[in-house]
Amino acid sequence: DQQVKQNSPSLSVQEGRISILNCDYTNSMFDYFLWYKKYPAEGPTFLISISSIKDKNEDGRFTVFLNKSAKHLSLHIVPSQPGDSAVYFCAARNAGNMLTFGGGTRLMVKP
Amino acid sequence: SQTIHQWPATLVQPVGSPLSLECTVEGTSNPNLYWYRQAAGRGLQLLFYSVGIGQISSEVPQNLSASRPQDRQFILSSKKLLLSDSGFYLCAWSVYGNQPQHFGDGTRLSIL
Repeated sequence: DQQVKQNSPSLSVQEGRISILNCDYTNSMFDYFLWYKKYPAEGPTFLISISSIKDKNEDGRFTVFLNKSAKHLSLHIVPSQPGDSAVYFCAARNAGNMLTFGGGTRLMVKP
Repeated sequence: SQTIHQWPATLVQPVGSPLSLECTVEGTSNPNLYWYRQAAGRGLQLLFYSVGIGQISSEVPQNLSASRPQDRQFILSSKKLLLSDSGFYLCAWSVYGNQPQHFGDGTRLSIL
């Protein structure tokens, strides 16, 4: 029973264009959502988050959108850069600060 | 600033051998501590979490155990490793409230 799903295992984007990574969840009790970026052989690094009471949060080139009715969130990266190439995990938090992670999407930004 | 250390970075162990992975956090007090595993090509699965010394909660039944002997030390152990224990093990910490979890660099465990 996967409560958080990232249906695209990989995504390839040209440098300078927009990258859109998607995430779906099933548990309506999740109150906080996060995106992490992971390079090979390293731990995930926190990127951006959004509370369930908001529908958008922006930080530089990164914007996270939350659609609660659809139980869907997305991460937009614009413009995409080759250094953004990594695996991106979405995560959802329940009460007690427990995170449930999606399976990850590998983003490749081509120069 | 807070930092988290995990060691070793890589480990190759035979089936049936014991395991001890250590994680320490610096620069914060009374953190929540977590152990995750990432199996090949999959997401992160929460194994254990701890809200204080000696307090361990397990999320999934398995061949592993965790201990928290000190406030900022979290240990993942096994008495007898199985092939299925192979994976990338990550330790993380957080403080309460709307703060994200922060991860160590992980340990790549290969069981032969």
